[in-house]
Amino acid sequence: SQKIEQNSEALNIQEGKTATLTCNYTNYSPAYLQWYRQDPGRGPVFLLLIRENEKEKRKERLKVTFDTTLKQSLFHITASQPADSATYLCALGAGGYNKLIFGAGTRLAVHP
Amino acid sequence: DVKVTQSSRYLVKRTGEKVFLECVQDMDHENMFWYRQDPGLGLRLIYFSYDVKMKEKGDIPEGYSVSREKKERFSLILESASTNQTSMYLCASSLRKGVYNEQFFGPGTRLTVL
Repeated sequence: SQKIEQNSEALNIQEGKTATLTCNYTNYSPAYLQWYRQDPGRGPVFLLLIRENEKEKRKERLKVTFDTTLKQSLFHITASQPADSATYLCALGAGGYNKLIFGAGTRLAVHP
Repeated sequence: DVKVTQSSRYLVKRTGEKVFLECVQDMDHENMFWYRQDPGLGLRLIYFSYDVKMKEKGDIPEGYSVSREKKERFSLILESASTNQTSMYLCASSLRKGVYNEQFFGPGTRLTVL
């Protein structure tokens, strides 16, 4: 069956460092992958999309890579700030109607 | 400012009650989705709708039904609430045109079934 894995343990880093979050998937060949941010008690908010024919995408301090051979996406936040503390979800394009399959998310804590 | 709103932030119901969760979007989106989110399991799709009066089952539709009578409104119905339906429920919407559209989420309804 299709499976998406994100680090279940929280990632703790120091302010100013680069945070790297991992999303691995199996038994699936998505045409695209999206990353969302979710703050406690709120709905997810879209951050970035990367297509299967793109290796890397950037937006300000965010960078996403997509390796379809390894079946993995990496999400980087450079020069991290305490305000970046949140849970980050990866989601795979799951066919028509813009359906997505979500990972369970990784909680990031950036310490001053 | 685009918006997806949900009728309640918190809801407490008793086992066996019929529960209605309402979602409204103001972006004229064709697609609407209902998810539930549980710790360690991520978001799981319950139902989605790609047009008025159209609906499709997601991954976990058992115990739920939906209604979409107007484009902007998508309702999730728990016919007879059970304790295992205690969860965070999230509604989302997206454009239908195009392939890679992002989903816009509401704030969620935390439902507790006693």
